[in-house]
Amino acid sequence: GNSVTQMEGPVTLSEEAFLTINCTYTATGYPSLFWYVQYPGEGLQLLLKATKADDKGSNKGFEATYRKETTSFHLEKGSVQVSDSAVYFCALTGIQGAQKLVFGQGTRLTINP
Amino acid sequence: GAVVSQHPSRVICKSGTSVKIECRSLDFQATTMFWYRQFPKQSLMLMATSNEGSKATYEQGVEKDKFLINHASLTLSTLTVTSAHPEDSSFYICSAAGGTYEQYFGPGTRLTVT
Repeated sequence: GNSVTQMEGPVTLSEEAFLTINCTYTATGYPSLFWYVQYPGEGLQLLLKATKADDKGSNKGFEATYRKETTSFHLEKGSVQVSDSAVYFCALTGIQGAQKLVFGQGTRLTINP
Repeated sequence: GAVVSQHPSRVICKSGTSVKIECRSLDFQATTMFWYRQFPKQSLMLMATSNEGSKATYEQGVEKDKFLINHASLTLSTLTVTSAHPEDSSFYICSAAGGTYEQYFGPGTRLTVT
C-alpha cells in the first residue's frame, strides 16, 4: 500500500543550525508530496509541496525536492530559528485521482536559542 | 484565501453526552471534507471523508454510529460524537478540499470527556 516514512524524532538543534528531516515514500503512480507543520495546540499548515518529479517546493526558508529515483522528499533549512520549533509531517496524495492524504508519523523539532 | 475554521476550539463534556463539532470553509466551496483524529504525539488518523449531499465514507475501524458526520452544504460539515466516553478524548481536525488534491486544515478541536 501507499505509505510515508519519516525520520524518527525528536530532533533538537541549536539556533542557526542546518536542518534535514528525511522522508521517503512508497506509492504506485505519481503522487503529489507535501510537508505540513503543526505548532503546539494548532491544526496543520501547509509548508510546501511538489507535484511532479524534480520539482522543488520552498517556503519560509524550507526546501524539499521531489526525487522519484530515490522516492524521497527530504525537508531542509539552512539556518533554523527558535520559531521553527513544531511537529513536521510529510504526506502524499493524488494517487489515481484520490484526495486522501497519507501522513508520515511526524517529526518533533525543537530549536534551542 | 482557503481558510477553514472549526468550532469550538475546546470542549469538555460529561460521559454519555453528545458533542457536535463544526467545520467551515470560509472563502471557498468545499466539495469534500475530511475528519481526522490525532492522539498526543502521534500522526493524524483519517476517520472519514464526506462529500456535500452524500453519506460519509468511514475508514475501517471507525464506528459510523458513534461519529456522525453531516456535510449539508458546500461550506459546512459537522462531526457529532455520540454517547461520548473518556477514550473519545482527543484532538479532532477537519480539512476541506475544493476539487483539487490540496486540503486546507482547520485549527482543530480539543475534546475532553470527563
